[in-house]
Amino acid sequence: GAVVSQHPSWVICKSGTSVKIECRSLDFQATTMFWYRQFPKQSLMLMATSNEGSKATYEQGVEKDKFLINHASLTLSTLTVTSAHPEDSSFYICSARDPLLADTGELFFGEGSRLTVL
Amino acid sequence: GQNIDQPTEMTATEGAIVQINCTYQTSGFNGLFWYQQHAGEAPTFLSYNVLDGLEEKGRFSSFLSRSKGYSYLLLKELQMKDSASYLCASMDSNYQLIWGAGTKLIIKP
Repeated sequence: GAVVSQHPSWVICKSGTSVKIECRSLDFQATTMFWYRQFPKQSLMLMATSNEGSKATYEQGVEKDKFLINHASLTLSTLTVTSAHPEDSSFYICSARDPLLADTGELFFGEGSRLTVL
Repeated sequence: GQNIDQPTEMTATEGAIVQINCTYQTSGFNGLFWYQQHAGEAPTFLSYNVLDGLEEKGRFSSFLSRSKGYSYLLLKELQMKDSASYLCASMDSNYQLIWGAGTKLIIKP
């Protein structure tokens, strides 16, 4: 199947700093990528839909100025958590759909990035 | 509103069979997905149903009834490595996935 790679897997930062998470589609071009956040023992919560070459679409309640999304190429989307605080500590996961497998609707997920803000 | 319901936790014995149920209410329907997620890892795809009936894939099978807004994931010959959370997700008319909270499956020897 298609491969999505996410980096870094783990990141620890101080409160007030910014953290960038990368999501790459390795063997297909993804015009759309999705960013999720998952708190312990909870399901995935869609944060935003990243669109190549245009602005991201944010879900209600997600601060676009805090969670900056850039999708500058067909294989890379980045999520930057700006001025991170301890409550931003979570598991962040990206996913993408392979256009060639559009009929299946299957999402391919990155490995996830666990952010801990001290 | 849109809603996905599945049990929070289930326990089963190694070698046995377990069925995890999921009911959904979404604005439009473009398919029902099951994903497996081990603790601390990203979800991995298990199955996709868009038509009524049973889809079998090895030890795992998934069933869908669109008229009832109901699906189940059937796991046979349970192995310890099957201990994980199983996420049910329905794709709505905008092709957005609506996720359930997941069912934590505990396998006992």
